[in-house]
Amino acid sequence: EAGVTQFPSHSVIEKGQTVTLRCDPISGHDNLYWYRRVMGKEIKFLLHFVKESKQDESGMPNNRFLAERTGGTYSTLKVQPAELEDSGVYFCASSLRSGQETQYFGPGTRLLVL
Amino acid sequence: GQQLNQSPQSMFIQEGEDVSMNCTSSSIFNTWLWYKQDPGEGPVLLIALYKAGELTSNGRLTAQFGITRKDSFLNISASIPSDVGIYFCAGTRPPLDDKIIFGKGTRLHILP
Repeated sequence: EAGVTQFPSHSVIEKGQTVTLRCDPISGHDNLYWYRRVMGKEIKFLLHFVKESKQDESGMPNNRFLAERTGGTYSTLKVQPAELEDSGVYFCASSLRSGQETQYFGPGTRLLVL
Repeated sequence: GQQLNQSPQSMFIQEGEDVSMNCTSSSIFNTWLWYKQDPGEGPVLLIALYKAGELTSNGRLTAQFGITRKDSFLNISASIPSDVGIYFCAGTRPPLDDKIIFGKGTRLHILP
């Protein structure tokens, strides 16, 4: 069974540009999470989808970030316009159920904003 | 602000040695999780702990959920080269069991 996949693996963009990251969760997993790790800091929670609904978006840093999960399958995270401090690794994770359930992480998208 | 203090940040050990790393918090956690990240990959769950005092093993790995619910440790016995990587402690706090909080990680280096 395929794990969580993310695309692209790397992205280098200039400040002010737009980038869209994609996550495909494990098939059948209703719960999808976005996390990110900026340089020198810990991995931080961004938001949690249950199917297509945003369950918790308390970690989204500001309104330049927009996450969607239309149809409850894959998700996209768009950063517009990107700033230098957005550089980091963006991880997606999925789980079968909510609560104390193992979250399986994807390999991440390494974003560099110049 | 940072909620999990993970130490040490980096460790250099000889192959075959045992290693211990720990995590503390000023807040109570409902679950403690230990992840390992290899280069170019995402974090992979090693051990999950759900009850205060719980001691769980997974092969050469052993982890414990502290009695106070504010700390956890991970031990790796008889280290081998493939143990190299970044180990993250993590957990969830009431009432949000889905929002994982991570420590900064301990980077483990193994000398031949």
